[in-house]
Amino acid sequence: ELKVEQNPLFLSMQEGKNYTIYCNYSTTSDRLYWYRQDPGKSLESLFVLLSNGAVKQEGRLMASLDTKARLSTLHITAAVHDLSATYFCAVDRIFGNEKLTFGTGTRLTIIP
Amino acid sequence: DTAVSQTPKYLVTQMGNDKSIKCEQNLGHDTMYWYKQDSKKFLKIMFSYNNKELIINETVPNRFSPKSPDKAHLNLHINSLELGDSAVYFCASSQLARGQKNTGELFFGEGSRLTVL
Repeated sequence: ELKVEQNPLFLSMQEGKNYTIYCNYSTTSDRLYWYRQDPGKSLESLFVLLSNGAVKQEGRLMASLDTKARLSTLHITAAVHDLSATYFCAVDRIFGNEKLTFGTGTRLTIIP
Repeated sequence: DTAVSQTPKYLVTQMGNDKSIKCEQNLGHDTMYWYKQDSKKFLKIMFSYNNKELIINETVPNRFSPKSPDKAHLNLHINSLELGDSAVYFCASSQLARGQKNTGELFFGEGSRLTVL
């Protein structure tokens, strides 16, 4: 069974600092996704990573994928308060029983 | 227009009651899902339908019964509600990848917060 782990689970950081959220998964996967969820809100897609070495950037967020290490990272550069949210990674496979398996989520709080 | 819409957004009910949540998507996707998010924010898939056909049925009590009248709609009916059913239920849709160039990205509804008293 595919397992997806994120760390840290909780992250409190000051504005202007850099940090990285890690997403490890247990078996070979074809696709990896990052989602953002604000309190009481829906999940918003941030990045879709489809191949080994894929790197995508949007504003202060950058996501990368290493399929050999079964690891994805979400890097936050010069954090701002608006980035406070819960971030989820999710993994699935193209062939077989397709379903997204979500990580535990990382609750990020940016302190002014 | 809302891409994936769920109703109701909030649902408060007594134990033992039966309730339904409806979901509609206007994205033209062929696959729809129900996910449950518990109080610890953990998201777990419950069901998935592809073109009205059930393709994923996780270990969910049979009190939960999904129905897909067409590929744009997926409803969730819950019988004999229990305290542990309290959660946020998210509907989502995607275009199934199946080795094609589709990304398989999920688009989520706003969620339906169910509180069982």
